[in-house]
Amino acid sequence: DVKVTQSSRYLVKRTGEKVFLECVQDMDHENMFWYRQDPGLGLRLIYFSYDVKMKEKGDIPEGYSVSREKKERFSLILESASTNQTSMYLCASRNRRGLAGVVEKTQYFGPGTRLLVL
Amino acid sequence: AQSVTQLGSHVSVSEGALVLLRCNYSSSVPPYLFWYVQYPNQGLQLLLKYTSAATLVKGINGFEAEFKKSETSFHLTKPSAHMSDAAEYFCAVSESGSDSSYKLIFGSGTRLLVRP
Repeated sequence: DVKVTQSSRYLVKRTGEKVFLECVQDMDHENMFWYRQDPGLGLRLIYFSYDVKMKEKGDIPEGYSVSREKKERFSLILESASTNQTSMYLCASRNRRGLAGVVEKTQYFGPGTRLLVL
Repeated sequence: AQSVTQLGSHVSVSEGALVLLRCNYSSSVPPYLFWYVQYPNQGLQLLLKYTSAATLVKGINGFEAEFKKSETSFHLTKPSAHMSDAAEYFCAVSESGSDSSYKLIFGSGTRLLVRP
C-alpha cells in the first residue's frame, strides 16, 4: 500500500511566523501535491512537483512556497503565516505510470495537517 | 475548462437505505473520474475510479458508480447504508490520456449523514 505521511496532525502558529509542513511518501512516486481544504470549497491545489527540484504553481500559490530536495519529501512553507491561512492542508503523491506503462492519475493522500494561525 | 458539480452539500439517509450521491462533470475530452471518501480528521481515501473501461465501476465498502456520458454524470451509490459510511465524499475529474495533465479537479464535497 502507498503510504503518505505528514509531519503534524495539528499545528498552532502565530501571525508572522514561518511555518514548515512536511510530507513524505514511500512509493517512489514522481509527482507530489499540496492542497488546502476549506468548508464548501473542496480541495484547491497550492503547488505541484513533477520530480525532484521541480515545482509548479497551482491555483492558489500566493503566500506559499515549496521545496523538493529528495524524491520522497515535499515541504510546504508559509513564509509569514496569516490568519487566512488557517485551514486543513493535504499532501498527495502520484505515480505517473501505472501497470504496463498506462498513464495513472490516481493521487494518494496523507492524513492532513490542521493548521490554526492566531 | 474542466469542472465538477456535486449536488447537495449534505445528504441524510436512514441506516439500511439506498445511498445516492450525485456528481456531474464537464470535460472537453474523455475524462478520468474518481470518488474519494474522507472520514473525520483523516485524509482522502480512494473509493473507486473510472478510466474508460467498464462504465459501471465497483469500489470498496460496497460502493459503485456508473459513468453516463450522455448525462455527463458519475453518481455514487450503495444499496444499503451503514453507520460507518458517515463521511464526506468528493468527486474528482481529470483529463484522460495526457500525461502532462496532472490535475485532479475536485467537487466541493457531500457530507453523508446516516441516521440509526
